[in-house]
Amino acid sequence: GENVEQHPSTLSVQEGDSAVIKCTYSDSASNYFPWYKQELGKGPQLIIDIRSNVGEKKDQRIAVTLNKTAKHFSLHITETQPEDSAVYFCAASIDNNDMRFGAGTRLTVKP
Amino acid sequence: DGGITQSPKYLFRKEGQNVTLSCEQNLNHDAMYWYRQDPGQGLRLIYYSQIVNDFQKGDIAEGYSVSREKKESFPLTVTSAQKNPTAFYLCASSNPGTYSPLHFGNGTRLTVT
Repeated sequence: GENVEQHPSTLSVQEGDSAVIKCTYSDSASNYFPWYKQELGKGPQLIIDIRSNVGEKKDQRIAVTLNKTAKHFSLHITETQPEDSAVYFCAASIDNNDMRFGAGTRLTVKP
Repeated sequence: DGGITQSPKYLFRKEGQNVTLSCEQNLNHDAMYWYRQDPGQGLRLIYYSQIVNDFQKGDIAEGYSVSREKKESFPLTVTSAQKNPTAFYLCASSNPGTYSPLHFGNGTRLTVT
């Protein structure tokens, strides 16, 4: 089955700096890669997703890149703000019934 | 507003008791899921249901049971057979298909002592 690894487990940056979180997946059949943000005491919320036929997608300060050959994808957050502090999860799936999540990255943005 | 409601937010039970976690959605989604979240780990799938009156085991179904009698509701029962029931439980829903994102509730934290 699919296995998703996520790094780093914790990340601390200064406000205004960029943050990068990386994930690798094992199943080359995976074709959908969402990223979720989870704030304390809440459920994860989708922040951006990418399909396997796209190499990069951007939405304001966040972007995701996908390298299908190397089977890795990354989340990039630019101009970080304190409200970006949260736990971020990557995921990979062929369909929603087999979505596999990374272990999460706790991002702290210091003002 | 459409969304997923999980109740209660916090739940405490004595060991050996069964407990049922509620999940209701008004997003008109066909598919619903239960995940378990433990510190430092990703979300692990317990059960999922793609349609009313049908559900499938996920990766860690042992010690859990579900029902799907209505499209809007997907309750999870944590039985006394679950060896480590203390965890954060998340319910999600989605439209069927490959590229449909999951919509999560705000979770129920279950503590069993």
